[in-house]
Amino acid sequence: QSALTQPASVSGSPGQTITISCIGTSDDIGAYHHVSWYQQHPGKIPKVVIFEVTNRPSGVSSRFSGSKSGNTAFLTISGLQVDDEADYYCCSYAGSRVFVALGGGTKVTVL
Amino acid sequence: QDLLVQSGAEVKRPGSSVTVSCKASRESFSNCAFSWLRQAPGQGLEWLGGVVPIYNRTNYPPTSGDFRAKVTITADESSATVYLALSSLTEDDTAVYYCASERAGSPTTFDPWGQGTLVTVSS
Repeated sequence: QSALTQPASVSGSPGQTITISCIGTSDDIGAYHHVSWYQQHPGKIPKVVIFEVTNRPSGVSSRFSGSKSGNTAFLTISGLQVDDEADYYCCSYAGSRVFVALGGGTKVTVL
Repeated sequence: QDLLVQSGAEVKRPGSSVTVSCKASRESFSNCAFSWLRQAPGQGLEWLGGVVPIYNRTNYPPTSGDFRAKVTITADESSATVYLALSSLTEDDTAVYYCASERAGSPTTFDPWGQGTLVTVSS
């Protein structure tokens, strides 16, 4: 059982905007600004698309954005493209005892 | 961007042990923390633990005693390599194992990742 709760799947049509939620607790997402999101295409290694809640690494499309409200983090993908079809994982720092909390992953399907 | 190069695929018998290596550049080895994660077939990511070589400190998730006894993470400064050792392997340990470095000042920002090492446990 994952520490962070994500929907199993989210779908959208090309050009639409989708949002993936990641529900944590006051011990992880609610307590720290260290939330990251990873994109993983089938058979590929995960790639960070958002770090520190809202920051986007160089080379990642501006269509990807992150936010947080209370104990829940969000990844929003705007202008959905076929290549966005992948699994997405959220991750949060969880303090000096647990260290890392991971979500179970969300499969994004582009219809 | 720094690269992490992992050792090759392994096939092991139940009850045996395996060690997976991850070689970094000397610069990143001295400045970064490293984590090991795994992904069983068709499953999500699982964090196994991490090491901060400059402080010689390892961190593990608060799991059961059996799992904690199974996993050992070490680092070798002379070769800028971090290691993941798994003992008492079972078929449930079949997975792709990844090492990843953490961005300085940004815990749980895993970037970059190694290429992954498939460990297959089968009788």
